[in-house]
Amino acid sequence: SAVISQKPSRDICQRGTSLTIQCQVDSQVTMMFWYRQQPGQSLTLIATANQGSEATYESGFVIDKFPISRPNLTFSTLTVSNMSPEDSSIYLCSAVTSGSHTDTQYFGPGTRLTVL
Amino acid sequence: KQEVTQIPAALSVPEGENLVLNCSFTDSAIYNLQWFRQDPGKGLTSLLLIQSSQREQTSGRLNASLDKSSGRSTLYIAASQPGDSATYLCAVIVGGFKTIFGAGTRLFVKA
Repeated sequence: SAVISQKPSRDICQRGTSLTIQCQVDSQVTMMFWYRQQPGQSLTLIATANQGSEATYESGFVIDKFPISRPNLTFSTLTVSNMSPEDSSIYLCSAVTSGSHTDTQYFGPGTRLTVL
Repeated sequence: KQEVTQIPAALSVPEGENLVLNCSFTDSAIYNLQWFRQDPGKGLTSLLLIQSSQREQTSGRLNASLDKSSGRSTLYIAASQPGDSATYLCAVIVGGFKTIFGAGTRLFVKA
């Protein structure tokens, strides 16, 4: 199993600023992901965080808006850049411990972002 | 394009009742299906994972079934309790570890 923590747990930001969210896993994992959950909606995958290389973004998400880093096997960051009120969401980090598709996906507690 | 649908969107039941949550997906090419629980303002807790070759999984009062050919899964909750009140999310894992979520079922169990 894996225990995932995120910082900050919540934040209120001004339009036009940027926020970096940290994700820490208590053990080495093969895959890490970032999701967005807009108010009243389900989760949407933003990108796969690749260790030592550029993240793989899903359709509709770009690196300039959501730069991601993954310097090692236990840590990743997501930055929400040039924020607007439409970016107000819960951002969740997840991880898969092995490289198998049969592995359970574990989630962090999320970061609740409000943009004014 | 894979789509996941959950029915009902919301459910309110009295304590002690057995209930079934439904999940359907449009493409049977999945690696596994996972049921999660999400409490308000919180992250996701994994409840059950069913591999594509399996038919069901059980954990305590929870039982999840999978019929991949028909694109359906059900989550059965026995003897519901107020502490079961949460949103239940169904998700399918496809190639590249992409996880596609349903919109969820909001469950309220009345004491």
